[in-house]
Amino acid sequence: KNEVEQSPQNLTAQEGEFITINCSYSVGISALHWLQQHPGGGIVSLFMLSSGKKKHGRLIATINIQEKHSSLHITASHPRDSAVYICAVRSNQGAQKLVFGQGTRLTINP
Amino acid sequence: DTGVSQDPRHKITKRGQNVTFRCDPISEHNRLYWYRQTLGQGPEFLTYFQNEAQLEKSRLLSDRFSAERPKGSFSTLEIQRTEQGDSAMYLCASSDRDRLGSGANVLTFGAGSRLTVL
Repeated sequence: KNEVEQSPQNLTAQEGEFITINCSYSVGISALHWLQQHPGGGIVSLFMLSSGKKKHGRLIATINIQEKHSSLHITASHPRDSAVYICAVRSNQGAQKLVFGQGTRLTINP
Repeated sequence: DTGVSQDPRHKITKRGQNVTFRCDPISEHNRLYWYRQTLGQGPEFLTYFQNEAQLEKSRLLSDRFSAERPKGSFSTLEIQRTEQGDSAMYLCASSDRDRLGSGANVLTFGAGSRLTVL
């Protein structure tokens, strides 16, 4: 079992729909990152969370440390939101590396 | 451009050749990371530098792989005697020192260097 699991692996929705992508992890963490990767490889950091909830525009990220679970929500989705969304965690054991989930490929149709 | 730069963006090489990738991090970032990503997978950690010191190295990094950051600024990742299984996107990321004491800072990724080994 991977340390970081995302669901769903693929998600197709219509423009305007509310999107939820889930991330579960099995290790103690110091922080969780949500990243966005567009075709061609560029990765953009969306959020870094260690507790609670963060909001930026139409994006909302939440984390439940006790349940080892995080969600990324997109409100009023738009075709330009189509990308791979990746969850990554940093262990609380002092290591600096991030452990990545396999990503969720989101396609928003007009 | 004040982001993380990687060079070359694409490299096609024959099996057995050596290749070197360069990463120029954001200038004030003292932490630098190399990751490898294959098609359809999330990135996998390769190695981490704090300033010029290589502090973490993945078991994925065989003896054919070596990374340096000689002056604590740019870094190079060299792959010797390339194999077809080395074909991947090699991603570099950098972050600032941990001012918040949380053990984690936001990463800035480069666009990656795509390696194809024929």
